[in-house]
Amino acid sequence: KAGVTQTPRYLIKTRGQQVTLSCSPISGHRSVSWYQQTPGQGLQFLFEYFSETQRNKGNFPGRFSGRQFSNSRSEMNVSTLELGDSALYLCASSLLLAVTDTQYFGPGTRLTVL
Amino acid sequence: AQKITQTQPGMFVQEKEAVTLDCTYDTSDQSYGLFWYKQPSSGEMIFLIYQGSYDEQNATEGRYSLNFQKARKSANLVISASQLGDSAMYFCAMSRSGYALNFGKGTSLLVTP
Repeated sequence: KAGVTQTPRYLIKTRGQQVTLSCSPISGHRSVSWYQQTPGQGLQFLFEYFSETQRNKGNFPGRFSGRQFSNSRSEMNVSTLELGDSALYLCASSLLLAVTDTQYFGPGTRLTVL
Repeated sequence: AQKITQTQPGMFVQEKEAVTLDCTYDTSDQSYGLFWYKQPSSGEMIFLIYQGSYDEQNATEGRYSLNFQKARKSANLVISASQLGDSAMYFCAMSRSGYALNFGKGTSLLVTP
């Protein structure tokens, strides 16, 4: 079974631009979560989607948004990029939203904002 | 609020020896899950092992075992017979119903020949 895929793997943008990252979950998984990882803040939760609905949102400004499609694929968008948005963005999928469900991560998208 | 604490920023271990990575957590929930992930320098988070709060036996997966002490709220990862390829960051994480996975700060493990 194919794992979680994320595209693109690397991205370089300039301040003020916007970016869209894509995540395809493991086949059959209905939940997708997004995390931002930086050296200073560690792993921070962005959002969580299940059946096309955002179920949970982390403490990020409104410039960060996401959505999930009917095939469970998910995208996240960051508008008006700032230097501090440079990070590794990780997507994870799980079967459902249960406490016992393991989240499987993709390889990440490394975003650099210049 | 739930909190995951990994007190060892960095650890060294010699190849073929066992190593324990510490993790303590704080929650008042009865039902929760504890996970360990490995993150090599490539960046991908690799799932290693899971322990449910109601599981009475410690979880094991190959060379990985989780030393779960519920009363002490600790979930230490034990890696037996370390290999050079085990050098990576290791993250402890907790899941709770209705909440996202919460991660600790991580422990950097270096396996030396």
